[in-house]
Amino acid sequence: EDQVTQSPEALRLQEGESSSLNCSYTVSGLRGLFWYRQDPGKGPEFLFTLYSAGEEKEKERLKATLTKKESFLHITAPKPEDSATYLCAVRARAGGTSYGKLTFGQGTILTVHP
Amino acid sequence: GAVVSQHPSRVICKSGTSVKIECRSLDFQATTMFWYRQFPKKSLMLMATSNEGSKATYEQGVEKDKFLINHASLTLSTLTVTSAHPEDSSFYICSARTGGEDQPQHFGDGTRLSIL
Repeated sequence: EDQVTQSPEALRLQEGESSSLNCSYTVSGLRGLFWYRQDPGKGPEFLFTLYSAGEEKEKERLKATLTKKESFLHITAPKPEDSATYLCAVRARAGGTSYGKLTFGQGTILTVHP
Repeated sequence: GAVVSQHPSRVICKSGTSVKIECRSLDFQATTMFWYRQFPKKSLMLMATSNEGSKATYEQGVEKDKFLINHASLTLSTLTVTSAHPEDSSFYICSARTGGEDQPQHFGDGTRLSIL
């Protein structure tokens, strides 16, 4: 069964204090790993897709990286508006029990204080 | 691009009422749509997957007769919660995807359903 574990559950940062969020996964053949941001009372907003180990994607202060077992979301010099829950999800290749579905982690609640 | 619109954003109704939630992909054709339920401080739980013109595939434990899903076109899917009861109160989120399995899903802003 595919599994996604995110850590830490919650992270408090001061504005400008860079850090990383972790997403560890077990999947029967990775089709894609997806990062989303979710604000309270809203649906998840798509950030990145990573397909293979060694791949990196960047968007403003966010950078996502991927290895064969985990993904990191690096936040450089965060601002209060980066406060949100960050969700990681994986989709398995054909043949797996969860083929076609996204398996989500529990999320990391990020709070950035001014 | 890739905007998914969900309506209504909030519903409050009496027990026994049926409630319909609409999900539209505004700027792309959604080959596959998904319905999720999210409990407070929990991650998203997939309820069902639907392809345009086909019957929805429900996850284990989700009652088909309770949660009716219709995917009538490439831009519209509806979820009807029939004879809703307080335990059906939750945050329901739809999602849509175009293209293959390696493409991301895009999510609506959710519907907060409260059954009195």
